Amino acid sequence: QVQLVQSGAEVKKPGASVKVSCKASGYTFSTYAMHWVRQAPGQRLEWMAWINAGNGNTKYSQKFQGRVTITRDTSASTAYMELGSLRSEDTAIYYCARESPTWTFDSWGQGTLVTVSS
Amino acid sequence: QSALTQPASVSGSPGQSITISCTGTSSDVGSYNYVSWYQQHPGKAPKLMIYDVSNRPSGVSNRFSGSKSGNTASLTISGLQAEDEADYYCTSYISGSTLYVVFGGGTKLTVL
Repeated sequence: QVQLVQSGAEVKKPGASVKVSCKASGYTFSTYAMHWVRQAPGQRLEWMAWINAGNGNTKYSQKFQGRVTITRDTSASTAYMELGSLRSEDTAIYYCARESPTWTFDSWGQGTLVTVSS
Repeated sequence: QSALTQPASVSGSPGQSITISCTGTSSDVGSYNYVSWYQQHPGKAPKLMIYDVSNRPSGVSNRFSGSKSGNTASLTISGLQAEDEADYYCTSYISGSTLYVVFGGGTKLTVL
């Protein structure tokens, strides 16, 4: 079955960067796009970015443009989300989610809590 | 940032039906059938319940149904059960911006 397993919780200081991984199994990684969605405490879900796992093309929400980078390693069936210039407002749970079908998220990772605190 | 509008909360008794609305614009819900609904229990990842306005993924109960009229999509849950108590989020593809996907604010469903 499809499974997305994310890296563990992180605590970072303001101004630092964080890189979260999402390892996929149970399907051919390169044939599905992967999205990143975050949820601040008590807040709505928020779409951040998308990567075509086959060719590496990316799309980013304008809100995060310049601060977020999405990459993938097809040999490891893993997608990565790196967010820089962290501030306290970036404290949130970050999810990866597989796209299937179009613009639908049929499988989600378990989430990675990123805490930004001095 | 653009967002879809959902009621903050709805409630119903076991066995009843409820409907959650999701209002967008002509740039998202009104122009595309890429409307999805997700269920999220506390501390858990979201789960896909409805996609492409009204399609149910395999394994999702047929008590869940979706529809759309104009700029408003709706999720209906019939025969409410205790385990349906959760937060529900709608999403839609959005054009004309660098956002691509917009979420609703979420609706807390309480089963009385």
